[in-house]
Amino acid sequence: GQQVMQIPQYQHVQEGEDFTTYCNSSTTLSNIQWYKQRPGGHPVFLIQLVKSGEVKKQKRLTFQFGEAKKNSSLHITATQTTDVGTYFCAGSDSWGKLQFGAGTQVVVTP
Amino acid sequence: EADIYQTPRYLVIGTGKKITLECSQTMGHDKMYWYQQDPGMELHLIHYSYGVNSTEKGDLSSESTVSRIRTEHFPLTLESARPSHTSQYLCASSEYYASDGRETQYFGPGTRLLVL
Repeated sequence: GQQVMQIPQYQHVQEGEDFTTYCNSSTTLSNIQWYKQRPGGHPVFLIQLVKSGEVKKQKRLTFQFGEAKKNSSLHITATQTTDVGTYFCAGSDSWGKLQFGAGTQVVVTP
Repeated sequence: EADIYQTPRYLVIGTGKKITLECSQTMGHDKMYWYQQDPGMELHLIHYSYGVNSTEKGDLSSESTVSRIRTEHFPLTLESARPSHTSQYLCASSEYYASDGRETQYFGPGTRLLVL
């Protein structure tokens, strides 16, 4: 079955630095979504990527969908303390079933 | 942000008790989901429903059961709670956007369950 893997599992970042988290699927995806879960909170939808090679930006966040539609990345520039949380990618197959990755837990040190 | 509600938010209960976690959404979404999540860990899908009278088991085996008698309501029941059931339970519903094929999941605030 479809498997979605995320690396790294943990990311310690100095405030102001950039970092990237990666998402890889064992199968070709129909689309990929990214969610953010703040500590003690619930996952909140950030963005969806549908097209091969698609790149979308939300302020300091840049999301990319691979050409083969099997991988994705989230790049955050100039990290702030508000970026703390766990970022989940979720891949959707052709049937619309969503498979979540294990998440990247981001800790920001001032 | 969507309107999806879960009660109770926190529950401490003794082993062997029967419990029902409530989940309601007011958006008329057909698809609903239950996830189990330990603190800081991944989401495990335990049940889902594609509409009234439709329920399916998820990827993670669970001793819980669900029902979907009404579109807006998707309760989860544990017949006999055990300490291994201690976790956070997140309910979600999804909306399909035909314009771009997007199906966004909206999550409730979760129920934190502690079984002693």
